[in-house]
Amino acid sequence: GENVEQHPSTLSVQEGDSAVIKCTYSDSASNYFPWYKQELGKRPQLIIDIRSNVGEKKDQRIAVTLNKTAKHFSLHITETQPEDSAVYFCAASKVGSGYSTLTFGKGTMLLVSP
Amino acid sequence: KAGVTQTPRYLIKTRGQQVTLSCSPISGHRSVSWYQQTPGQGLQFLFEYFSETQRNKGNFPGRFSGRQFSNSRSEMNVSTLELGDSALYLCASSAKGTANTGELFFGEGSRLTVL
Repeated sequence: GENVEQHPSTLSVQEGDSAVIKCTYSDSASNYFPWYKQELGKRPQLIIDIRSNVGEKKDQRIAVTLNKTAKHFSLHITETQPEDSAVYFCAASKVGSGYSTLTFGKGTMLLVSP
Repeated sequence: KAGVTQTPRYLIKTRGQQVTLSCSPISGHRSVSWYQQTPGQGLQFLFEYFSETQRNKGNFPGRFSGRQFSNSRSEMNVSTLELGDSALYLCASSAKGTANTGELFFGEGSRLTVL
């Protein structure tokens, strides 16, 4: 089955800095890569996703890049703010395959200091 | 639309007991997935149901089971509880299932503590 590795497990930055979280996946057939944000005591929520036919996607201060050859994808957050502090999970799945689950990485705790 | 609702939110059980958790998906969503969240292990997939049928099952022992009703509500059951079952159990719904759309909408979870 699919295996998703996520690094780093903890990331501390100063407000205004950029943050990068990296994930690798094992199944070359995976074609859907979402990122979820989970604030303390809250539910995970989708913040951005990318499909394998796209190399990069941006939404305001966040962007995701995908390298299919290397089987890795990254989340980039620019101009970080204290409210960006949360646990971020990457995931991978094979959409359209009929039977597929979303496999998550173990998460990255991002701490943004004012 | 109301979001995904999970009950109970918190519960405490002792080893050997069993527990049933409930999940009501977003109206119109036919797929319900269950995940176990523990510190350092992230979100581990338990199972997914679509139109009352189990589509996929994760690598958990047979003590973990689930079902889905005709109204798409789902329950999961854990029998013979062990200390290691202490976790946040998250339910997520999607309109067509992760195989077709990918996006999951999570509930706030049921936090189980086993003593």
